[in-house]
Amino acid sequence: AQSVTQPDIHITVSEGASLELRCNYSYGATPYLFWYVQSPGQGLQLLLKYFSGDTLVQGIKGFEAEFKRSQSSFNLRKPSVHWSDAAEYFCAVGPLSGGYNKLIFGAGTRLAVHP
Amino acid sequence: GAGVSQSPRYKVAKRGQDVALRCDPISGHVSLFWYQQALGQGPEFLTYFQNEAQLDKSGLPSDRFFAERPEGSVSTLKIQRTQQEDSAVYLCASSFNRGREAETQYFGPGTRLLVL
Repeated sequence: AQSVTQPDIHITVSEGASLELRCNYSYGATPYLFWYVQSPGQGLQLLLKYFSGDTLVQGIKGFEAEFKRSQSSFNLRKPSVHWSDAAEYFCAVGPLSGGYNKLIFGAGTRLAVHP
Repeated sequence: GAGVSQSPRYKVAKRGQDVALRCDPISGHVSLFWYQQALGQGPEFLTYFQNEAQLDKSGLPSDRFFAERPEGSVSTLKIQRTQQEDSAVYLCASSFNRGREAETQYFGPGTRLLVL
């Protein structure tokens, strides 16, 4: 069965430091991969997505992610974190089932940013 | 333009009560999804509509859960005889069309349901 694992439940970084959030997936074929961010009381906002082509994907807010098929990973990175990046981050895989994306989410990583 | 809106934002129900949660998708979006997000968890798929047709309801946890989208726009998720385990945030998402590519789903702010 398809699944997504985010090994880190909670991460704390200092403002200005670099960030990497890990995501591993289990899926039989080439997946469609997504990173969403959720701020308190807000819905999910798409940061970036991958479905083919260049394995390094650029997203909004200065985020990027790299698809590594050999490691079944799609880690999210940002070179310099801002205090406003504090939120919960979800990795998701989207098996295209019958022509639509039924997303499967990981449990999320909560990011705290120290000034 | 307006995004996906959901109402109410918060709902407190007594166990056994019926509730109805509303989702207004982005205008013109064909696809509509409902997800359930338990505390400390990622969202889990409940059901999918393409226009007014409910094409997938495999994620609905029991027959107490029912969703409809009669005119292909607004959708309602109804939970009958609510139980404490139904307490969660219910998220609605819409996308423009079904397609072969990884379409972006636009999420609403969710309805936080607490069953006492």
